[in-house]
Amino acid sequence: SQKIEQNSEALNIQEGKTATLTCNYTNYSPAYLQWYRQDPGRGPVFLLLIRENEKEKRKERLKVTFDTTLKQSLFHITASQPADSATYLCALDGDSGGGADGLTFGKGTHLIIQP
Amino acid sequence: DTGVSQNPRHKITKRGQNVTFRCDPISEHNRLYWYRQTLGQGPEFLTYFQNEAQLEKSRLLSDRFSAERPKGSFSTLEIQRTEQGDSAMYLCASSHTVSEQFFGPGTRLTVL
Repeated sequence: SQKIEQNSEALNIQEGKTATLTCNYTNYSPAYLQWYRQDPGRGPVFLLLIRENEKEKRKERLKVTFDTTLKQSLFHITASQPADSATYLCALDGDSGGGADGLTFGKGTHLIIQP
Repeated sequence: DTGVSQNPRHKITKRGQNVTFRCDPISEHNRLYWYRQTLGQGPEFLTYFQNEAQLEKSRLLSDRFSAERPKGSFSTLEIQRTEQGDSAMYLCASSHTVSEQFFGPGTRLTVL
């Protein structure tokens, strides 16, 4: 079955630096990959989607890369701020690859930006 | 507020009781999803509706769980004969296309 791995430990970054989060997957060929932010006690909030034929996508201070050969996505937050502290979830489309199924999520990486 | 809403936000019940949760999606979204999330884990897919049709159910969904989406609008998720292992956050999401999903705030279930 497919498996998604994200940094299981908290990631501590100094304010102003670039935070880089990793998502690796196995036994899978997703049509697209998504990143979500989740704050404690709240539902996930969509950030970015990248398709299998795209290598990079940007949105303001966020950048996502997608390497289907390495089966890896990197999520970057530049000029990080304490308000960026949250859990970041990587998600892939469902088993069929057609995207109609629900998303398969990683466990998430807890990011802490220290002032 | 035109986002996804869920009710109740919190539910405490005794083992063996039945519970029902409601989700109101964003009005123009025809796709609706239910997920379950436990502490330290990502959301796990439970079931998916396109309009009123339930198109997929996860193997995780036992026969004690049932979901409906009458008229393709709001959805309900019922858990019968609750067990302590059912304690979790139940999340609903909706989407218009096969792309980003918009999540509600969740219903936190505690089974005593």
